[in-house]
Amino acid sequence: GDSVTQTEGLVTLTEGLPVMLNCTYQSTYSPFLFWYVQHLNEAPKLLLKSFTDNKRPEHQGFHATLHKSSSSFHLQKSSAQLSDSALYYCALSDRTGNYKYVFGAGTRLKVIA
Amino acid sequence: DTTVKQNPRYKLARVGKPVNLICSQTMNHDTMYWYQKKPNQAPKLLLFYYDKILNREADTFEKFQSSRPNNSFCSLYIGSAGLEYSAMYLCASSRLGHYEQYFGPGTRLTVL
Repeated sequence: GDSVTQTEGLVTLTEGLPVMLNCTYQSTYSPFLFWYVQHLNEAPKLLLKSFTDNKRPEHQGFHATLHKSSSSFHLQKSSAQLSDSALYYCALSDRTGNYKYVFGAGTRLKVIA
Repeated sequence: DTTVKQNPRYKLARVGKPVNLICSQTMNHDTMYWYQKKPNQAPKLLLFYYDKILNREADTFEKFQSSRPNNSFCSLYIGSAGLEYSAMYLCASSRLGHYEQYFGPGTRLTVL
């Protein structure tokens, strides 16, 4: 079945340094990929989505590129901010039309001053 | 308003007792989902409603029930809670043809 693998556990960064959270996937079909962000005590919210290759979605300074050749959709930001501290989920949805998500286990990002 | 609401936010239950969690949305979304999230694990889809049609995942088929009395509300029902049900339960909704899901803040269930 489909699966998503993320950078495990906690990533601690100093403010101003670049962010890279890894996401790789396995899917029978060519799926849609998503990044969701969940701040403490809040609902997960969509950060980025990618539907086509060679298209780089960007939001709030974050970007991710879908690479079908390596089955990856890594999340990047050039300069971390304290407010980026949150739990980040990578998810895929196949194209069979049932719209179900398969999530990764999540990566917690902690940005320190 | 793109808010999905969940009640209660925290729930304490006794082993063997029933549990009912509630989710609501006012976006007129046709699909509503329930996920279970345990520490250090990925959110796991339990079931989803497309309109009035309930779809339950095969490995959790007998453990969870759900109802959707109208388009806005969806419940998750556990008939007899066990310790293994302690988790965060996330509700989400989406519109047909759109892959983006909107999530609620979750209900943290603790079974003692």
